[in-house]
Amino acid sequence: NAGVTQTPKFQVLKTGQSMTLQCAQDMNHNSMYWYRQDPGMGLRLIYYSASEGTTDKGEVPNGYNVSRLNKREFSLRLESAAPSQTSVYFCASSEPLSSGANVLTFGAGSRLTVL
Amino acid sequence: QKEVEQNSGPLSVPEGAIASLNCTYSDRGSQSFFWYRQYSGKSPELIMSIYSNGDKEDGRFTAQLNKASQYVSLLIRDSQPSDSATYLCAVRPMDSSYKLIFGSGTRLLVRP
Repeated sequence: NAGVTQTPKFQVLKTGQSMTLQCAQDMNHNSMYWYRQDPGMGLRLIYYSASEGTTDKGEVPNGYNVSRLNKREFSLRLESAAPSQTSVYFCASSEPLSSGANVLTFGAGSRLTVL
Repeated sequence: QKEVEQNSGPLSVPEGAIASLNCTYSDRGSQSFFWYRQYSGKSPELIMSIYSNGDKEDGRFTAQLNKASQYVSLLIRDSQPSDSATYLCAVRPMDSSYKLIFGSGTRLLVRP
């Protein structure tokens, strides 16, 4: 009963480096999300995947790419990291919010620092 | 104007008191409203959802929704030190089945 698992938990990058945050869920949810959380800004949606095979931009997609590898996995890639991408990243999953099953289950978070 | 606004706090209440947390939203067509609790260094967890005007109670928590005023609140009765956390208001906008827009959160401090 792991729920949503994110890796890595911590990462320090230099400006210009690339990395991928991995996320996997074992709840058989159709929808998956990537949020970032910055002090005073709340959670902001980066990308989401309504179902396997689809991805869509959220509020702050610039500088990121995503891949919905299969129903379980949704990865977030930073191609050329910038200090502005220093943040805590949360992956989440749910059934479609309009279905009535409105619980968003979050992973433990990944703290990324870009120097 | 932010889509979902909350006072950042901290809101400090004594143990046993009622804590009242407020949230306003800008999308008049929003239909679904949520309160998440986030302990420091942890991920958010859902504590309440509300979809129609009025009150919804769950244990010590009551969510209140007023769509005409575009206002949703969370009351915590008999506040405990373990309730000390940041409370995030989230709203599903009318134009999306998948997005949740979060407020920046209100930090609640319950003093023993």
